[in-house]
Amino acid sequence: AQKITQTQPGMFVQEKEAVTLDCTYDTSDQSYGLFWYKQPSSGEMIFLIYQGSYDEQNATEGRYSLNFQKARKSANLVISASQLGDSAMYFCAMREYLFGNEKLTFGTGTRLTIIP
Amino acid sequence: DAGVIQSPRHEVTEMGQEVTLRCKPISGHDYLFWYRQTMMRGLELLIYFNNNVPIDDSGMPEDRFSAKMPNASFSTLKIQPSEPRDSAVYFCASSLKRVDAFFGQGTRLTVV
Repeated sequence: AQKITQTQPGMFVQEKEAVTLDCTYDTSDQSYGLFWYKQPSSGEMIFLIYQGSYDEQNATEGRYSLNFQKARKSANLVISASQLGDSAMYFCAMREYLFGNEKLTFGTGTRLTIIP
Repeated sequence: DAGVIQSPRHEVTEMGQEVTLRCKPISGHDYLFWYRQTMMRGLELLIYFNNNVPIDDSGMPEDRFSAKMPNASFSTLKIQPSEPRDSAVYFCASSLKRVDAFFGQGTRLTVV
């Protein structure tokens, strides 16, 4: 079964609009971490934002915020005031803390295209 | 620190040849992950190490794939023999416990 599900393979958004990228996850652990990474066309993986399972506040980093709904097991990324440079692949990832070891798995990604 | 360093950046090889991909993690990081990225399957976790010890290799597709981490500053991913379906971008990432992982630039492997 998929641990991380990203249901939007691609999205087109007008510049300056806000965009929400969906991510749901599956784990039976109580302690875990959720991450979002950006992969521009150049190919590198860039860390954007992190949310711990015990964090009560939603994480924010500049224009990025993570809408964490623990009961629904969702961790959506919200990008406010989108820019042309936001066009990229976006990956949601989960770090599970298993018997003292930590596994980091990724969803299949969402390709975001910002339209001028 | 220079970040996670992978070599080579690009590799083109003939089917049946042995391929070795290399990774130097960030100094002090205790976790190292190998991923494979393809259009069809996205980012797949192949294997990961904690303090140089392989913890989970359930993502390694077949016996043709092997990975080692002889010390804290070096890891290899080997494919022997290589096949065209192994063509992908292979990423190495390292991290400390419970924080985000830093990725290398990736190795684009083409098997012809």
